[in-house]
Amino acid sequence: QVTLKESGPVLVKPTETLTQTCTVSGVSLDNAGLGVSWIRQPPGKALEWLAHIFSNDEQSYRKSLKSRLTISRDRSRSQVVLTMTNMDPVDTATYYCAQTYSDYFDSWGQGALVTVSS
Amino acid sequence: SYDLTQPPSVSVSPGQTATITCSGDKLGDKFTHWYQQKPTQSPLLIIYQDDKRPSGIPERFSGSNSGDTATLTISGTQTVDEADYFCQSWDSSAAVLFGGGTKLTVL
Repeated sequence: QVTLKESGPVLVKPTETLTQTCTVSGVSLDNAGLGVSWIRQPPGKALEWLAHIFSNDEQSYRKSLKSRLTISRDRSRSQVVLTMTNMDPVDTATYYCAQTYSDYFDSWGQGALVTVSS
Repeated sequence: SYDLTQPPSVSVSPGQTATITCSGDKLGDKFTHWYQQKPTQSPLLIIYQDDKRPSGIPERFSGSNSGDTATLTISGTQTVDEADYFCQSWDSSAAVLFGGGTKLTVL
């Protein structure tokens, strides 16, 4: 059974950099075709896709946030890491990681709430 | 604004059919997927590649996609179906698109 779990700071100060880690278990990140996305959801609002890393390690980013985002994969630790620079209170959200072998997300993490406040 | 357009809310009586739409430019040329999200829970895939149901998803959930609009249909809606529903697709630049979400109320 595949599980994904997000981890990282609960509270971040404005202008700081957020580093969120998605640990994948039950499947190898080396599996052909496996991609992972980061998706966030501000309280009471819609899902917002942030970044995706494909099985060949190519990356795709939300155009409006591309300058602030980096997604990477650590196969040895079975982790996918998202960094987001220059955090702002509007970035307060639950951050999810989700996996796909195709074009839909069939497994999601439980989500991690990140609050941006001084 | 959101990547794909959904109605903010839909209301339906128990046992009736609920229809939730998702609109985007030439959406019918791409696959659309649907997720259900209940309060405090992560999204759950309920329809993939326009009209396929993952294992364990009730048959009352169905989907279609044509032209600029994808549609999620819930036949014989039950109170347990009350949730937020999000559509998802990809654009030509390998970016993921989500709809703004539809709150389904069953009353």
